[in-house]
Amino acid sequence: AQSVAQPEDQVNVAEGNPLTVKCTYSVSGNPYLFWYVQYPNRGLQFLLKYITGDNLVKGSYGFEAEFNKSQTSFHLKKPSALVSDSALYFCAVRDTANFNKFYFGSGTKLNVKP
Amino acid sequence: DTAVSQTPKYLVTQMGNDKSIKCEQNLGHDTMYWYKQDSKKFLKIMFSYNNKELIINETVPNRFSPKSPDKAHLNLHINSLELGDSAVYFCASTRQGSEAFFGQGTRLTVV
Repeated sequence: AQSVAQPEDQVNVAEGNPLTVKCTYSVSGNPYLFWYVQYPNRGLQFLLKYITGDNLVKGSYGFEAEFNKSQTSFHLKKPSALVSDSALYFCAVRDTANFNKFYFGSGTKLNVKP
Repeated sequence: DTAVSQTPKYLVTQMGNDKSIKCEQNLGHDTMYWYKQDSKKFLKIMFSYNNKELIINETVPNRFSPKSPDKAHLNLHINSLELGDSAVYFCASTRQGSEAFFGQGTRLTVV
């Protein structure tokens, strides 16, 4: 079965510090990986994706993610956190057998304190 | 211009009622979805349509019936609403190989 896991329910970081939100995946074949952000009472917004190419992917709002095949990870990172980054973050993977299907992680709440 | 729009944004209704949620996308995508987000924020796929054809039908009570009149619209009709149906329902669309675009959600509260 294909899946993603987000091992942390919550991540707390001080403003200005680097942040990492973790994601590991389990797929057969080459993964298509995504990160989304959800602000309160809003839909999910796409941040970035990895399909092929460079392992370091840059996305919206200064976020980036590193694809690591050997560790089956796709951690989301930002060098300097902002209070406005506080939100719920979801990692997702496309099903390589049924390309129309996405599997989402359980979400990680990021709290950035001033 | 809203890419994926859902109506209504909020829906409060009594148990046993029948209600519909509508979704429209103006992105020209072929595939549309309904997801359910529960109180713990877990996202679960319910249905997916590709060019008006049902392609994903997860284990969902048959009180839930999706309908896609054309590839830009995907509606969700729910019969005999139950308390446990209270959740946020998200519509999304995508084209193959690409990311999904989500609507703003419909918060359904069954009382």
